[in-house]
Amino acid sequence: DAKTTQPPSMDCAEGRAANLPCNHSTISGNEYVYWYRQIHSQGPQYIIHGLKNNETNEMASLIITEDRKSSTLILPHATLRDTAVYYCIVRDSGGYQLTFGKGTKLSVIP
Amino acid sequence: NAGVTQTPKFQVLKTGQSMTLQCAQDMNHEYMSWYRQDPGMGLRLIHYSVGAGITDQGEVPNGYNVSRSTTEDFPLRLLSAAPSQTSVYFCASSYSSGRTEIEKLFFGSGTQLSVL
Repeated sequence: DAKTTQPPSMDCAEGRAANLPCNHSTISGNEYVYWYRQIHSQGPQYIIHGLKNNETNEMASLIITEDRKSSTLILPHATLRDTAVYYCIVRDSGGYQLTFGKGTKLSVIP
Repeated sequence: NAGVTQTPKFQVLKTGQSMTLQCAQDMNHEYMSWYRQDPGMGLRLIHYSVGAGITDQGEVPNGYNVSRSTTEDFPLRLLSAAPSQTSVYFCASSYSSGRTEIEKLFFGSGTQLSVL
């Protein structure tokens, strides 16, 4: 699986959009990009995933660049409850192993 | 649905003791897995299973055994606990379409294990 690079931490003002970047320059054509988050010491929670096209669901939007070497997770209106560690993961189609790195610790500030 | 249930939530063991961490899911998911998370680290895959009777090793399998006799249960066994196994353990499950894909993972709330 391709490796990912994320900033270790970010701050975001409450009510603003949080834009979390992820670099995956070695991604191959059949590898999906997944985003999970972990609030405090809870189990990680799935947010969104995509292959080529941008994706949106009730939690967030995922923007993948045309060359697929990077992506951005967007939380449109961050709340204090969005304070968490966010993990960007790439996974081979048909693969069963998701590798979680250290992620980005997002702090939403009042 | 209860989702993914892990027991116990906390456990303290002495070096050399054995124990089983329990994981059960009621979503009829074929794929189940165990991760461990050490302080300041991401999650590392220990073992996984793509269906009853099928298991495979992940990134850090040494010191752990698994079996999958039913779709619902995927216990993790520590045969002889060591201090290096002090960690938080998470079980996760996912729908698997034709055993070729896993969709989103559902995680349990974790078991905090300390080995003295």
